[in-house]
Amino acid sequence: ELKVEQNPLFLSMQEGKNYTIYCNYSTTSDRLYWYRQDPGKSLESLFVLLSNGAVKQEGRLMASLDTKARLSTLHITAAVHDLSATYFCAGLDDKIIFGKGTRLHILP
Amino acid sequence: NAGVTQTPKFQVLKTGQSMTLQCAQDMNHNSMYWYRQDPGMGLRLIYYSASEGTTDKGEVPNGYNVSRLNKREFSLRLESAAPSQTSVYFCASTMLQGTSLNNEQFFGPGTRLTVL
Repeated sequence: ELKVEQNPLFLSMQEGKNYTIYCNYSTTSDRLYWYRQDPGKSLESLFVLLSNGAVKQEGRLMASLDTKARLSTLHITAAVHDLSATYFCAGLDDKIIFGKGTRLHILP
Repeated sequence: NAGVTQTPKFQVLKTGQSMTLQCAQDMNHNSMYWYRQDPGMGLRLIYYSASEGTTDKGEVPNGYNVSRLNKREFSLRLESAAPSQTSVYFCASTMLQGTSLNNEQFFGPGTRLTVL
């Protein structure tokens, strides 16, 4: 059964710095999802990665997928305060299973 | 195009009461999901429906039932609510067919449920 683990679970960082959130999954996943959630809000889809080596970028966020290592990363470049949120990854076997989320706090 | 809609937005129940959470999507998606979100636990899958006419248990199905009424609608029922079911409930939908370009999963706004 698919298990999804994210780390770190909490991250506090300075504006302007770079950092990476890691998402490991336990068995074959047909695709990998990344989401953003602001406090008290619903989830917003960021990226869907469909194949090994897939890389997608939107602004300061870049996601990649290594299916052989069962690892996806979400890289933040030159962080800004507006990126403060909780980020989730999720994998797919016959259903979509989430990690516990990474709460990102960016200090001005 | 409303996306995924959920009703109600808020609900307070007493222990033992029953209720149904409604979810509808207008994106012609084949797959629909119900999740619950508790602090520090991420999102846990309650039930899902891979296609119209099918439903399957997720990670935490006990105490819940679901109905995939048609392609658009997927409801979640609590037959006898318990305080442990206090949570935020999210419905989501996606298209799981082949390798189409996007396949994003879209979420509804959520239902905040308190069981006293």
